Amino acid sequence: DAGVTQSPTHLIKTRGQHVTLRCSPISGHKSVSWYQQVLGQGPQFIFQYYEKEERGRGNFPDRFSARQFPNYSSELNVNALLLGDSALYLCASSLYFGRTRNTIYFGEGSWLTVV
Amino acid sequence: KNEVEQSPQNLTAQEGEFITINCSYSVGISALHWLQQHPGGGIVSLFMLSSGKKKHGRLIATINIQEKHSSLHITASHPRDSAVYICAVITGTASKLTFGTGTRLQVTL
Repeated sequence: DAGVTQSPTHLIKTRGQHVTLRCSPISGHKSVSWYQQVLGQGPQFIFQYYEKEERGRGNFPDRFSARQFPNYSSELNVNALLLGDSALYLCASSLYFGRTRNTIYFGEGSWLTVV
Repeated sequence: KNEVEQSPQNLTAQEGEFITINCSYSVGISALHWLQQHPGGGIVSLFMLSSGKKKHGRLIATINIQEKHSSLHITASHPRDSAVYICAVITGTASKLTFGTGTRLQVTL
């Protein structure tokens, strides 16, 4: 069984551009979360989706948006990129939402560099 | 002050040493995860705890809910254990994780 897959793995964008990052959860998993990890820091929560509905949003500007598709894959979109958006973007999937015993699986991440 | 604090931030050990990484949190939680992140970026979940103690191979994780504290122990450390170890908590009914800043472990021969 494939794990959580993210694409692209690395990309370089220019300030002001737009980026779309993609995540395919583990088969059968309906919950997808996005995290931003700036170099040297712990990941920060951006969004969570479950059953195609947004269930949580972190403290990120409106330039960040996401959606979940009927097959439970997800996209994270960032508009008007800033240098500070350079980070590793992690996707995590889990079977359930809101349950304590809910193992979370992470993808390898997408490294975004904004120049 | 971060909701999740880890110590130490950096740790160097010789092969075979017993290692302890600590995590303290200031909020009520439903579960705590210990995660391992290698330089390539990928994160692997080591443990999920809501009470007591868990053991997997040379790794042991404990949690004290009353004291809002958890520890990750590595017995007989090995250079392949070198990684960043991150403590993350789940709060409330949402499944989002709040992460500590991580402990960078380097195990040398």
